[in-house]
Amino acid sequence: EDQVTQSPEALRLQEGESSSLNCSYTVSGLRGLFWYRQDPGKGPEFLFTLYSAGEEKEKERLKATLTKKESFLHITAPKPEDSATYLCAGRRSGTYKYIFGTGTRLKVLA
Amino acid sequence: SQTIHQWPATLVQPVGSPLSLECTVEGTSNPNLYWYRQAAGRGLQLLFYSVGIGQISSEVPQNLSASRPQDRQFILSSKKLLLSDSGFYLCAWSVAGVGEQFFGPGTRLTVL
Repeated sequence: EDQVTQSPEALRLQEGESSSLNCSYTVSGLRGLFWYRQDPGKGPEFLFTLYSAGEEKEKERLKATLTKKESFLHITAPKPEDSATYLCAGRRSGTYKYIFGTGTRLKVLA
Repeated sequence: SQTIHQWPATLVQPVGSPLSLECTVEGTSNPNLYWYRQAAGRGLQLLFYSVGIGQISSEVPQNLSASRPQDRQFILSSKKLLLSDSGFYLCAWSVAGVGEQFFGPGTRLTVL
């Protein structure tokens, strides 16, 4: 069964304290690994798509990486405005469905 | 550019009442469309997806239904709401067959 697991469930960082969020996946014939940011009461906001092991994408303080078994979202020198829930999802080859993890709730303290 | 709309933003309904949530997408043609439910502290549960007008795939047996009367319109319905239908409902679209999904702002449904 296809599965996406995120860890940790929650993370508290001091402003400027870099860290990484993990997304482990077992998705047959992965056709894309996706990262989203979700603020409370809002829809997820698309961040990155990764297709191949070794691929990296960056946006401001965020960098996403992909291996054959997991993806990491690295947050460098985070700011309080980076506080949100971060979701990852995988899409299986031959389907239109996306399998989501349960997210990591990030809190960055000033 | 593409935009996705959902309404209403919030809804409070009594048990046993009907439901209709609407989602529309602008700026693209023939999108794949999706309905998700997100319970508090949990991940996104896929409810329905559609790859074209009148084509609906159901992922979870329940008292909800979906329809796609127009290319960029997706409707989620129920004849009789249950308490367990409460949650945050999200509509999303993607380019047919490829790539990332883009989500609407969501509808917060409370069934009392």
